[in-house]
Amino acid sequence: GAGVSQSPSNKVTEKGKDVELRCDPISGHTALYWYRQSLGQGLEFLIYFQGNSAPDKSGLPSDRFSAERTGGSVSTLTIQRTQQEDSAVYLCASRGGGSNEQYFGPGTRLTVT
Amino acid sequence: GENVEQHPSTLSVQEGDSAVIKCTYSDSASNYFPWYKQELGKGPQLIIDIRSNVGEKKDQRIAVTLNKTAKHFSLHITETQPEDSAVYFCAAGANDYKLSFGAGTTVTVRA
Repeated sequence: GAGVSQSPSNKVTEKGKDVELRCDPISGHTALYWYRQSLGQGLEFLIYFQGNSAPDKSGLPSDRFSAERTGGSVSTLTIQRTQQEDSAVYLCASRGGGSNEQYFGPGTRLTVT
Repeated sequence: GENVEQHPSTLSVQEGDSAVIKCTYSDSASNYFPWYKQELGKGPQLIIDIRSNVGEKKDQRIAVTLNKTAKHFSLHITETQPEDSAVYFCAAGANDYKLSFGAGTTVTVRA
């Protein structure tokens, strides 16, 4: 079946602009995560959604970052007033069906110039 | 919070040899330890995981060991093949939903 998809695959934006990154999780998965992967670094947890519960936003690095998950499916990560240090690959993952496994999308590579 | 350290950062092995990657964690409450493989341009993919009530787990050429007392766990790949070349991440978490990841190990298998 279809895996986790993310769009766009690449995004180049100017410093100060806002960007929106989209994640389509695996159908039926109730849990959705966003991570940030900087060059040569591990995965940095950003935010977690589980069903209708309040999201865990403890990993968001600043108030310029926000995320929504509409209808328990698609999620959008928004970065306002982008800075060069926001340049990274943003990964989305979903989990469901009683499994521990997080299924990752291919990521969105964000470059802030 | 949980802090996961991973070594080495790069590992080059001859095809057919074994590769070992080691991780340590700080939070004694962590009870779930997955390993992910990330190929170029793709998202990470789970290759094996272990829970704290188990000391070792094997899946074909891959094995993971866990030492709860010392708070470290390791990934062992035997009979390495070129397709094993990738970046490997360890992770640890006190529950299934929130994982802390190591910085990754770039494994290169030389033919």
